[in-house]
Amino acid sequence: SQQGEEDPQALSIQEGENATMNCSYKTSINNLQWYRQNSGRGLVHLILIRSNEREKHSGRLRVTLDTSKKSSSLLITASRAADTASYFCATGLGANNLFFGTGTRLTVIP
Amino acid sequence: SAVISQKPSRDICQRGTSLTIQCQVDSQVTMMFWYRQQPGQSLTLIATANQGSEATYESGFVIDKFPISRPNLTFSTLTVSNMSPEDSSIYLCSARGGAEGETQYFGPGTRLLVL
Repeated sequence: SQQGEEDPQALSIQEGENATMNCSYKTSINNLQWYRQNSGRGLVHLILIRSNEREKHSGRLRVTLDTSKKSSSLLITASRAADTASYFCATGLGANNLFFGTGTRLTVIP
Repeated sequence: SAVISQKPSRDICQRGTSLTIQCQVDSQVTMMFWYRQQPGQSLTLIATANQGSEATYESGFVIDKFPISRPNLTFSTLTVSNMSPEDSSIYLCSARGGAEGETQYFGPGTRLLVL
């Protein structure tokens, strides 16, 4: 299966701390996308990183990609209670479907 | 970016009935998809909605159960037919767009409960 796996499955931190989530996948990719999902809602696209990129930033988000290890990480700095959500990685290859990871459930305690 | 709307946002249905979910994208997109997300789970692709032709279904999903239409580039419907409690899920419409056509956006989802 191409589905990725995320680690940890659940993460609980204090407001102001940094949160790091990891994603591993099994096949070649063109890009990897990170999403946030608040409870029972749709997915919000956070960031796309291409296979020839190693790091990307967007506001408090930092994403890294290591294609040799088939892994990616999402770092959220200075976390806020509003960051509480599930975070998913999804890998893309050309016109093919995105394959989603299992998700990390992040809880930020005020 | 593409903004995707879905309706209904939620519904409670009786066993054996059918529900049609509508998805509208605010800009032309290359591909549209339908996903299912069962409680506490990740997303599973149901099918790729093809404009003007039959949808392409993933293993485990069939047209009789999940008929899909896409009459134009920005609109699609998914019907969940002959529903059972096992169909209780969030159904998400998705579309691929962006400057390079790689970014995949999602609608707010339709939360379905089948009694």
